[in-house]
Amino acid sequence: LAKTTQPISMDSYEGQEVNITCSHNNIATNDYITWYQQFPSQGPRFIIQGYKTKVTNEVASLFIPADRKSSTLSLPRVSLSDTAVYYCLVGFSNQAGTALIFGKGTTLSVSS
Amino acid sequence: GAVVSQHPSRVICKSGTSVKIECRSLDFQATTMFWYRQFPKQSLMLMATSNEGSKATYEQGVEKDKFLINHASLTLSTLTVTSAHPEDSSFYICSARGIPLAGGSYNEQFFGPGTRLTVL
Repeated sequence: LAKTTQPISMDSYEGQEVNITCSHNNIATNDYITWYQQFPSQGPRFIIQGYKTKVTNEVASLFIPADRKSSTLSLPRVSLSDTAVYYCLVGFSNQAGTALIFGKGTTLSVSS
Repeated sequence: GAVVSQHPSRVICKSGTSVKIECRSLDFQATTMFWYRQFPKQSLMLMATSNEGSKATYEQGVEKDKFLINHASLTLSTLTVTSAHPEDSSFYICSARGIPLAGGSYNEQFFGPGTRLTVL
């Protein structure tokens, strides 16, 4: 399974756009890139998933360059409630037995 | 998205007792379930993977006789921590992948809310 590298922490202010970049140099052809959000004492919550180029949903955008060796999660206009740990994971989503392996994640702190 | 529940959400027990944690998929068939453990300020660590009807596959360093996993149906998996000790105190999280009841397939893994285990 591909290893991921993310910044340990990031700080932002309310209303700003936050971009968290994840490196996954050993990503395999069949791997998808998935981002999860976790609040203290809660299970991770799915944010967004993509394979290539750009994916956008109601909460975030995911930018994936052509070589797919990195990806960037973009959170538009963050609020205090976006303070959480964000995990970038890489894995073959269609293989039922494959687990997602979590790295250290990025702790995002949003201030007013 | 699909919903995964866990019960109990919090449990406190005495050292030496056994604790069972249930993980249920509420609106889909969970063909594969995963159990993670998370210590304070740390990331989730995969403990084991279980497919419905077969034995669980444990990660290196996880004692299968201490952490008993049963995945007897497509909607339920249980983790039993046997003879629990204070060092087993942790946040246990299950997740599941599978097939929506309405058909099709899910690409993502759905996580339960977690169970906080405290062993005195």
